[in-house]
Amino acid sequence: KAGVTQTPRYLIKTRGQQVTLSCSPISGHRSVSWYQQTPGQGLQFLFEYFSETQRNKGNFPGRFSGRQFSNSRSEMNVSTLELGDSALYLCASSSSWGNTEAFFGQGTRLTVV
Amino acid sequence: GESVGLHLPTLSVQEGDNSIINCAYSNSASDYFIWYKQESGKGPQFIIDIRSNMDKRQGQRVTVLLNKTVKHLSLQIAATQPGDSAVYFCAENARDYKLSFGAGTTVTVRA
Repeated sequence: KAGVTQTPRYLIKTRGQQVTLSCSPISGHRSVSWYQQTPGQGLQFLFEYFSETQRNKGNFPGRFSGRQFSNSRSEMNVSTLELGDSALYLCASSSSWGNTEAFFGQGTRLTVV
Repeated sequence: GESVGLHLPTLSVQEGDNSIINCAYSNSASDYFIWYKQESGKGPQFIIDIRSNMDKRQGQRVTVLLNKTVKHLSLQIAATQPGDSAVYFCAENARDYKLSFGAGTTVTVRA
């Protein structure tokens, strides 16, 4: 069974631009969560979607948004990029809501210059 | 505030020895804990989980111990192998269902 797939793997953007990251969960999984990983802050929860609805949100500014489609695929968008947004963005999928037994993808490495 | 943290940022262990990685949490409402392993360039890999109604759970070469009295979690790896070299994270699922991660312990296996 295929794992969690994130695209693209690497991305370089300029300050002020916006970016969209994609995540395809494990087949049959309906919950998708997004995390930001940086050396200084570690792994921080962004938000979780289940059945196309945002169920939970972390402490990130409104520039970070997401959505989930009917096939459970999810996208995350960051607008007006800042240098501090450079990070590894990880997506995790679960069969049910609430982050139980979450499986992570390889991540998208975003560099803002 | 609520936090999940690991006692030591690094751990060096001789190949074949047992490893013990510790984690302290502060949210007494947490009822689900997960250990993840992250290798360089990869996403975190699920190792083992434990719910608060248990104090021990075993997997293949790994054992997780939960002490709710002192809010302490540990991961024991038996017969550590070079492939076990990675960063290990404990994660806590609190009442709000957000996974909170500790800072991670880097395990280096010496040949």
